[in-house]
Amino acid sequence: GGIITQTPKFLIGQEGQKLTLKCQQNFNHDTMYWYRQDSGKGLRLIYYSITENDLQKGDLSEGYDASREKKSSFSLTVTSAQKNEMAVFLCASSKVGLGVFYEQYFGPGTRLTVL
Amino acid sequence: QQQVRQSPQSLTVWEGGTTVLTCSYEDSTFNYFPWYQQFPGEGPALLISILSVSDKKEDGRFTTFFNKREKKLSLHIIDSQPGDSATYFCAASARAEGADRLTFGKGTQLIIQP
Repeated sequence: GGIITQTPKFLIGQEGQKLTLKCQQNFNHDTMYWYRQDSGKGLRLIYYSITENDLQKGDLSEGYDASREKKSSFSLTVTSAQKNEMAVFLCASSKVGLGVFYEQYFGPGTRLTVL
Repeated sequence: QQQVRQSPQSLTVWEGGTTVLTCSYEDSTFNYFPWYQQFPGEGPALLISILSVSDKKEDGRFTTFFNKREKKLSLHIIDSQPGDSATYFCAASARAEGADRLTFGKGTQLIIQP
């Protein structure tokens, strides 16, 4: 078993501010993901990383940067917070295998509020 | 462009009844379809999944059906319990190098009434 830890749980920032969200996993998974969850809109992929120092853009990467400092950690930066991006940000990780699909394990999320 | 459509948006079912959630998709390259369950304040957790080579998968009270020709899938919950009250997401995966890029539906908020 393992766990995904996201910090902080709640993040409040000012419009235009640069904000960083952190994620740690102890599954020893190679691949990590960042999703944004808006009420009534499902989850949308922001960035993912298949190994340390790798970054791949998802469908919603504009306005965000990411960093995979080491295998167990994946950070997301909101480059200039906007009021219309108040949402819950979810980190996930998974194994990946050729021809095999593995479960993505999710953290509890960081709820972002922009004032 | 929404690639995975999920319905209904919300649903109330009496305890002991059967719940049916449905999804449709457009991209014919999708070949893996997981259903995730999310309780308030928690991240989603995998409930059940199906590959496009199958048409049915069962796990206890939960069954997912897949129709490749119609590009539709469904989740059936029999003997629904109040503890099943949660938000359910269907998703579809397009395999990328080293990762599974999931496209999620908008979710169904399910309430099971005692």
